[in-house]
Order: sequence, then C-alpha cells, then structure tokens
Amino acid sequence: SQQGEEDPQALSIQEGENATMNCSYKTSINNLQWYRQNSGRGLVHLILIRSNEREKHSGRLRVTLDTSKKSSSLLITASRAADTASYFCATLKETSGSRLTFGEGTQLTVNP
Amino acid sequence: KAGVTQTPRYLIKTRGQQVTLSCSPISGHRSVSWYQQTPGQGLQFLFEYFSETQRNKGNFPGRFSGRQFSNSRSEMNVSTLELGDSALYLCASSSGGGSYNEQFFGPGTRLTVL
Repeated sequence: SQQGEEDPQALSIQEGENATMNCSYKTSINNLQWYRQNSGRGLVHLILIRSNEREKHSGRLRVTLDTSKKSSSLLITASRAADTASYFCATLKETSGSRLTFGEGTQLTVNP
Repeated sequence: KAGVTQTPRYLIKTRGQQVTLSCSPISGHRSVSWYQQTPGQGLQFLFEYFSETQRNKGNFPGRFSGRQFSNSRSEMNVSTLELGDSALYLCASSSGGGSYNEQFFGPGTRLTVL
C-alpha cells in the first residue's frame, strides 16, 4: 500500500513557470527521495533529503521537509517542456533496510 | 559507473507460464530491491536482497520469488502467471544502509501476460 499522498495529482503549467508538488507520509522516516519517471520508463533519482534536514537544492530543484507535519515539497523553478513527467516521492523508514514506500505521484505537464 | 541494468526490457507471456527477470546493480552496491508498477496499484515493493539474503518482503503471493548471487546480480521469478501480473517491474540498487541510502532504478522490464 502507498504510505503517502501527493498533491496535486496533475499539474499543467507554461514553460518558465515554477512547479510545486507536495508529498505527505504517515510514519517516521530515515530519508525521503524524489524521483522522475518519463512515460512508463525507469525512475530517475532526483534528490534525497534526510530526516534531520529541512531544505536541499540541486540545480533547479528545491526540496523541503517538515517532519512535524510529515510532509515534503518539490519545487522546480523555470520549468522546461523536458520536465514533463510523473514525479514520485518515496520514503525510507529507519528499520526497513532499503525498502521504499512510494506516493501516488504527480503528473506534471509543461506546455511550450 | 554503469547504471542499473535490467533484462529483458520487454516480455510477453501467457497465463500459467513462468518468467525470470534479471537485474544487475551498480558496481559495489550490495542491495537490490524489486518493485511492481501498475496503473491501479502504483509502485509496490516486492522484496529486497542484501548480500544474497532476503532482507525485506512485501505483500505478494509466493508465486513471486527472487534470489541474489554472490556478484550482487539478482533475479526474480514469477510462476503460474496471471493476467494481473502484467506490469512494469523495476529493480533498484543501493549500498544498503544509512540515512544516505539512495536507491537507483533500472529501466524496468515490461511484462505483458495474455
């Protein structure tokens, strides 16, 4: 079963705009990871944020984590048509080895 | 470093058959996890192997099994295939521990059961 929920389920924006996706989860975590998936292909690892971190940046990506609210957000700035994809958050619990629990994903469409 | 590789990329089988999928992790990684992705259920964890031992198992029937070899390569087997087994099967490679435990995924095997 999915641990978390992602919001919104679908997002459509214009090139150059920012896109924000949110993820909520239910249990204590070790880290939270964001992935991108293009149309039925494999998952591309975007960024990992540990439970004791509040914010991380990688290029045009900014991730925040609020463990008190059990939520995370992914911000993509200055979006491009190539950013069109599904985005998933995945949580790793402290006692689960490498087992990830995924959210349902956000389908992002960036219109040229 | 080479990424995670999965073979085959596509498979078509009929009900009742069995299938074996293969995953080669990133060099040096000792953990391989398997996931099933379907439109209805999303990404579901199947099992994880670490140093040739199953470390975690998801809620799938016994028809789904796996193993890991001494070189960390892993295979998963599905016996007595059902229509509902049609899915994208993804494997993930990681070092296996700690709060920096990143999982890197392969391109997946698309299984179609007719």
